[in-house]
Amino acid sequence: LAKTTQPISMDSYEGQEVNITCSHNNIATNDYITWYQQFPSQGPRFIIQGYKTKVTNEVASLFIPADRKSSTLSLPRVSLSDTAVYYCLVGDKFGNTGGFKTIFGAGTRLFVKA
Amino acid sequence: EPEVTQTPSHQVTQMGQEVILRCVPISNHLYFYWYRQILGQKVEFLVSFYNNEISEKSEIFDDQFSVERPDGSNFTLKIRSTKLEDSAMYFCASREGGTSHTSYEQYFGPGTRLTVT
Repeated sequence: LAKTTQPISMDSYEGQEVNITCSHNNIATNDYITWYQQFPSQGPRFIIQGYKTKVTNEVASLFIPADRKSSTLSLPRVSLSDTAVYYCLVGDKFGNTGGFKTIFGAGTRLFVKA
Repeated sequence: EPEVTQTPSHQVTQMGQEVILRCVPISNHLYFYWYRQILGQKVEFLVSFYNNEISEKSEIFDDQFSVERPDGSNFTLKIRSTKLEDSAMYFCASREGGTSHTSYEQYFGPGTRLTVT
């Protein structure tokens, strides 16, 4: 199983770009990288998924270098409401890490200050 | 926008009692999941369910736990004899089948906070 490592917490200010890096040194050839966001007392919410290079949607961008041993979630111009925990998951396209099991790590707590 | 719903939002029960947590997944979804999150800790996978049977379960999901899809719309998690350490937020999630670009997203419900006293 590919294990992920993320910073425990990060601080930022409103309007700044935030980059959260996730290490996954033993990512498998068929693995995708998926990011979820969780606000306090809510369930996780899918943000973005990628396999290689760069993926962008209306919420974030995901940068994946050629060796795929890490990935960076980029949140442009964060606001106070982006304060949340961000989880990096590695598994198949459906988020499964072996079979139909989805494994969340500890995540990164992002604090956005005014 | 369709959403996963869960009831109740908060359940308080005494140790040893049975509880049933209920979820209504998004109607055209085919894969269903239960997770738990102890306060301040990470989200933990419990079980996945597809085609009316368990696909995968974690070591947490022991004989005290069971899941059921009784009527084609509800998806339930039963804990037969609750323990203090079962106190947590329980999240239900569902996912489409198929291979469309949206089929790999899991949609989570708002959770049921279970307090065992």
